[in-house]
Order: sequence, then C-alpha cells, then structure tokens
Amino acid sequence: AQSVTQLGSHVSVSEGALVLLRCNYSSSVPPYLFWYVQYPNQGLQLLLKYTTGATLVKGINGFEAEFKKSETSFHLTKPSAHMSDAAEYFCAVISMDSSYKLIFGSGTRLLVRP
Amino acid sequence: ETGVTQTPRHLVMGMTNKKSLKCEQHLGHNAMYWYKQSAKKPLELMFVYNFKEQTENNSVPSRFSPECPNSSHLFLHLHTLQPEDSALYLCASSEQNGYTFGSGTRLTVV
Repeated sequence: AQSVTQLGSHVSVSEGALVLLRCNYSSSVPPYLFWYVQYPNQGLQLLLKYTTGATLVKGINGFEAEFKKSETSFHLTKPSAHMSDAAEYFCAVISMDSSYKLIFGSGTRLLVRP
Repeated sequence: ETGVTQTPRHLVMGMTNKKSLKCEQHLGHNAMYWYKQSAKKPLELMFVYNFKEQTENNSVPSRFSPECPNSSHLFLHLHTLQPEDSALYLCASSEQNGYTFGSGTRLTVV
C-alpha cells in the first residue's frame, strides 16, 4: 500500500530564503506524486505533479520538485520565498489499486518571516 | 474557480438539523470524492464514487449520507450531527493524472 510522510509539521523561513519541504513516499509500484497548497479557508490547489518522464517537475508560483526513486523522495523547493507563499502544503500519492485514491501526507505549514 | 464548485461555503447547523452539502463539476471526470479536514488532523477520505456508484465508504457514521445522482453532482446529506463533526468538507473529482478540489464547505455544528 502507498503512503506519504512529510517531515516537519511547521517550516519557517525568511523572505527571500530557500524553501525546502520534505516528502517521502512508500510505494511498491512507480508512483504518481503531487504537491498541493492550501491557503486559509480555501480548498487544495495543485502546485505540481509527477507521473512519468522528467524527474524534475516545475509547477506554479516558482515551485519545483524532484522525483528521486533511489531516495523515495519528492521534496518541494522554491529558490526565494515570498510572503504570499505562507500556507499549508500537502504531498500526496495516488493509490495504484482499483480505487485510485489520493493518499495525503499530514501537511507542512510554511511560515515566511519578513 | 477550480472547476469544482461547492455550496454553501459556510454552514452553521444545530445538532437536530438536516442540511445538505452540494458539489458540482463539469470537467468530465468520472470519479468524485468527499474528504473531511479537521483541525490538527490529516485529510480523511470519506466516500468515493466512480461512474455514480459508491465504491468506498471509509467507516463513515450513518449521520453522513452521500448521494451521486450523476457524474457531475455529489451531495452530502447531514442529520443529527455532533460538535466533533465541525470541519472543512472538501469535494474533489479526478481523472487519471490528478484530482481537482473545490473550495470546501466550512461546517460548524452547534
């Protein structure tokens, strides 16, 4: 069965600093991986996804993530944090059984300091 | 607007009330989902519908009753809820390569 672990429930960075949010997955088959962002009182917005092909995936708002099979990781990065990046970020994997469920990590809240 | 529309955005209801949440998508997706997001807890999958048929119920109490009349609409009927049911209820639809979420209904049970 697939699962997702996000290290760190809270990450705090200064404006302009590198953002790194960690995600590790467990899957017996090649995974489909996703990062979603949730702003206060909003639903989840897709940032980026990896299905097949290039392992470095670029998303919206300057974010990118790299699929590393050897490390079973899909960490999210952004070179320079902006105040508007403050939100909660969820890593997710799609279950490859017949249910096609989206399995979420517990989320990481990103705080951006001025 | 994401393509998945949820109404109402906010709902306050008493424990004896009956209310319904509505979700609508016109993305051509054949699968729809209800998720519950409570404070300080991971997102919980409640129900899955594929081609209007319920394919998963994650041990959800019977006071939550889903309905999927067609592939574009999904309802969650609520009755005799408890205060601990207060949460953000998210609807989603999916195709093979990903999900699209609505903005959610913030439910408060008083």
